[in-house]
Parts: sequence; C-alpha cells; structure tokens
Amino acid sequence: DQQVKQNSPSLSVQEGRISILNCDYTNSMFDYFLWYKKYPAEGPTFLISISSIKDKNEDGRFTVFLNKSAKHLSLHIVPSQPGDSAVYFCAASGTSYDKVIFGPGTSLSVIP
Amino acid sequence: NAGVMQNPRHLVRRRGQEARLRCSPMKGHSHVYWYRQLPEEGLKFMVYLQKENIIDESGMPKERFSAEFPKEGPSILRIQQVVRGDSAAYFCASSPKGSETQYFGPGTRLLVL
Repeated sequence: DQQVKQNSPSLSVQEGRISILNCDYTNSMFDYFLWYKKYPAEGPTFLISISSIKDKNEDGRFTVFLNKSAKHLSLHIVPSQPGDSAVYFCAASGTSYDKVIFGPGTSLSVIP
Repeated sequence: NAGVMQNPRHLVRRRGQEARLRCSPMKGHSHVYWYRQLPEEGLKFMVYLQKENIIDESGMPKERFSAEFPKEGPSILRIQQVVRGDSAAYFCASSPKGSETQYFGPGTRLLVL
C-alpha cells in the first residue's frame, strides 16, 4: 500500500526548459513534505520542503507546490540544467520526529 | 562540519554471516533513521532511534535485524545470518531535535554472496 506515489518513473527535459515532477499521497495526516535528489552511489540530498500550512515554497530554481485538497504536490525546476539529472524522491511526514515515507522516485534526465 | 558518516561504504558477506553497518550522525543531531533501498526500488523506512531508545521499528524485519544507538558511539544496524535478499543499499539519516528534515549519509552497499 503505497502512501506516496510518483507515477512517472522517468522524465526527459531539454536544458533550459522547465522540469515538473509530480507526487501524490494518500494519507491525509501527512503535514510536511520534502523533495530529495539522489545521484548514483550517493545518499539522498535534501532539496526543498513545504509545510501543509503553505501552498508554495521557492528556493532559487526550485519551487514546490502543494495542493492539499487534491493530495498532490509538484516540484518545478526552471531553468533545467544537465547537472539536475538525478533521481528525485518525494517524501512525506506526519509529525516532527516521525518516520518519513518516500515515493519510488522519478529519474530526471536533462538533455543538453 | 562533517555530514552523516557511514561505514563501511561497501560490505560483502556470505550467506549465514553477520553484517554490521555503522552510522555517525551529524554533530548535534540526536535522531537517527535507517532506510533500505532494494535494487530498482525506493527508500523504505526501517527504524528510528534516539540515544539509547528505539522510537519506531515498524519497518524492521521481525527476525535477524536489530539496531541500536548507544549513549556513546555510532548507531549500529546489525543483520544476523544474512541471506541473498538482504543485498541492498542501507542509508542512515539524522536530524536535530525539532526538525523534520533528515540528512542522509552516503550509504552502505551490502552484497550477500
């Protein structure tokens, strides 16, 4: 029973264009969401997060949007760069100190 | 200001042997989490520990797996009598008190022959 879903296993985008990675969740108790980026043979790196009291959080080229009623969030990367090519994990948590539930990941390829 | 450290980075064991994976959290972090990533899958939560306490072990297999985070020293994930299905990347993460953001180590890649 997957509580955090990333329905696109892979995504290809041209350099300079926008990358949009989607994530859906089923548990309405989740109130904190994170995106992690992972290169091969490395641990996940925290990218950006959003609390359920917000619907948008921006950090440089990265913006996360949250639609609580639809239980959906998305990560926008603009402009996309070749160095952004990695696996992106969406993750969700219920309360502070709680375990984080990860989605299966989306592999992003940014084509020069 | 070192990040989360894990060792060894790679571990090869034969079936039936024991595997010990170590994790040193970031300085000032009192919460440690262990995750497992099987080939072609996402990260699966295993256990959440604070110093000398297991807070949530709902993701740990009931047998052969154990974890500890002693008052002094690193957190240890121990797998007894390893089987081929234990081959995976094991990641440790840590967070400071009051923060939901977890910071990951580079992982230990376990291969069971």
